[in-house]
Amino acid sequence: AQTVTQSQPEMSVQEAETVTLSCTYDTSESNYYLFWYKQPPSRQMILVIRQEAYKQQNATENRFSVNFQKAAKSFSLKISDSQLGDTAMYFCAFMKSNFGNEKLTFGTGTRLTIIP
Amino acid sequence: SAVISQKPSRDICQRGTSLTIQCQVDSQVTMMFWYRQQPGQSLTLIATANQGSEATYESGFVIDKFPISRPNLTFSTLTVSNMSPEDSSIYLCSVGSSHSTDTQYFGPGTRLTVL
Repeated sequence: AQTVTQSQPEMSVQEAETVTLSCTYDTSESNYYLFWYKQPPSRQMILVIRQEAYKQQNATENRFSVNFQKAAKSFSLKISDSQLGDTAMYFCAFMKSNFGNEKLTFGTGTRLTIIP
Repeated sequence: SAVISQKPSRDICQRGTSLTIQCQVDSQVTMMFWYRQQPGQSLTLIATANQGSEATYESGFVIDKFPISRPNLTFSTLTVSNMSPEDSSIYLCSVGSSHSTDTQYFGPGTRLTVL
């Protein structure tokens, strides 16, 4: 079974600063995907970024990037030039590779607050 | 990405009653997933629904309490039966990508409060 651990229950940062959210996972699978989802107060789960385990290159999406360390089973999210709209719960998630037909295993989440 | 809708968006129910939540997708998908998010908690998978077969339930969840239907490739329902206040949660459905990428997308969720 897979486990996902987020050790930072809450974080806060000034607007325009950079913040890094941590995530570690444990699995015996060789093919898998890792995700960061954002959940604002509206409760909608929004996909932020996705990383294929077989790719060594770290994924980036505009201001969002990851530091994927496969050997260490670490998958952190960096948010650059943080904005007020980034305030949300952030969940790290793991999925085995199967064309999206596998369940997601979530971490406990990090509540991020961007301070004006 | 898939466009997913859920009905109702929220409801307040009396204990002992049942509520059926609908999930509609704008494209055909193989698997649909139902998650529960208890207040202040992370998401936990209830069951996986594959069209044409019975849903597969995770440990701790049973069909009598959470019956699921999957009549076609774009629609599913989750019923929360004989509700108690402990069932107060957000219920979310998700679908795998209809393309070859391994990604899941979520509906907007249903906020259920049981009195």
